[in-house]
Amino acid sequence: QVQLQESGPGLVKPSQTLSLTCTVSGGSISSGGYYWSWIRQHPGKGLEWIGYIYYSGSTYYNPSLKSRVTISVDTSKNQFSLKLSSVTAADTAVYYCASTLPGDAFDIWGQGTMVTVSS
Amino acid sequence: AIRMTQSPSSFSASTGDRVTITCRASQGISSYLAWYQQKPGKAPKLLIYAASTLQSGVPSRFSGSGSGTDFTLTISCLQSEDFATYYCQQYYSYLFTFGPGTKVDIK
Repeated sequence: QVQLQESGPGLVKPSQTLSLTCTVSGGSISSGGYYWSWIRQHPGKGLEWIGYIYYSGSTYYNPSLKSRVTISVDTSKNQFSLKLSSVTAADTAVYYCASTLPGDAFDIWGQGTMVTVSS
Repeated sequence: AIRMTQSPSSFSASTGDRVTITCRASQGISSYLAWYQQKPGKAPKLLIYAASTLQSGVPSRFSGSGSGTDFTLTISCLQSEDFATYYCQQYYSYLFTFGPGTKVDIK
């Protein structure tokens, strides 16, 4: 059974780059045709999809964040990563990684990691 | 982007109640609609996909219906573990969007 685990700093300074990694266990990131996504949730708010990557490296980002987002994959480590540049307090949120097959719902989620943007 | 709305935003119910939550899409999404349950401090859990297909392991008291723009999630007999926030999500467009959530708490 595939499991996802987010990791990265819990505190980032304004204007810096937020960097998170999602480690995939119980399966290969290169198999199965899955899209690997990042989703965030502002405190007490709803869910916002950030973007996804396919194992081949093709990506698709939410236009509202596209200018600041980079999602990459490291198949040798079975990981995919999120970089969000020029962060502000508005980027404070719980960040989740999740997986989905094309044309399907998010069936597997990581536990989430809280990132606070503050000096 | 396809905008998802939910109603009500919150309500109180009792164990054993039959509850219905509504989700509406700003444009037709066929049956590309999922429902998630989220409890405090936890990740969302997929309950239903393709508008009406129960995810493996999800109790049969949960059901979904609808297509196009209007969808419903029904819990036939509310259990104590069902008090949570429920989100709908469309995956018709690759700009995935979620509804704002419906919080179900104890009356």
